[in-house]
Amino acid sequence: ETGVTQSPTHLIKTRGQQVTLRCSSQSGHNTVSWYQQALGQGPQFIFQYYREEENGRGNFPPRFSGLQFPNYSSELNVNALELDDSALYLCASSLGGSLYGELFFGEGSRLTVL
Amino acid sequence: AQTVTQSQPEMSVQEAETVTLSCTYDTSENNYYLFWYKQPPSRQMILVIRQEAYKQQNATENRFSVNFQKAAKSFSLKISDSQLGDTAMYFCAFMRETGNQFYFGTGTSLTVIP
Repeated sequence: ETGVTQSPTHLIKTRGQQVTLRCSSQSGHNTVSWYQQALGQGPQFIFQYYREEENGRGNFPPRFSGLQFPNYSSELNVNALELDDSALYLCASSLGGSLYGELFFGEGSRLTVL
Repeated sequence: AQTVTQSQPEMSVQEAETVTLSCTYDTSENNYYLFWYKQPPSRQMILVIRQEAYKQQNATENRFSVNFQKAAKSFSLKISDSQLGDTAMYFCAFMRETGNQFYFGTGTSLTVIP
């Protein structure tokens, strides 16, 4: 069974640039959720994708967007980067649209915006 | 809105001893789920234990148990026979029964001392 993998693990961008983060879900999982974890904070929900459709969104501006592909892998795109976007971005996969089933997390992508 | 509060930013415990991590939450929902997740340094977050609000019996997983007080909206985690591998950040999380997102607390950093 392959776990959740994320890439890149670390990256540095400058303010105003755009970034794409990638996530491969655990084998058999059709739901991917993205979370932002700022330093010293708990993860904050960005959005969830279920069967290639957005299935809920947290309090994040439209410059945060995503995609889910037919193989259930996913991308998180952030445009017009701001300093406050510096954080660990976590991807989590699960089975089904609800989350009673366990969430399986990747190790995260650490983004630094200068 | 749902909020989760962890009032202990850092804790330490001697190896083989018992430690309790606190968590309170605020919600108007009657049915929901509560979780404790563990995030070891530079490793992915993993589920420790979960509790369904409609169950009065406290959940137990080996050395990990919870004290769920629904009326007080309290959900503490007890770790017995602490081991060095328990050193990690611990997050308390809440999910509505019909929800698709987790609400996390700010975490408690636990250090097990040899």
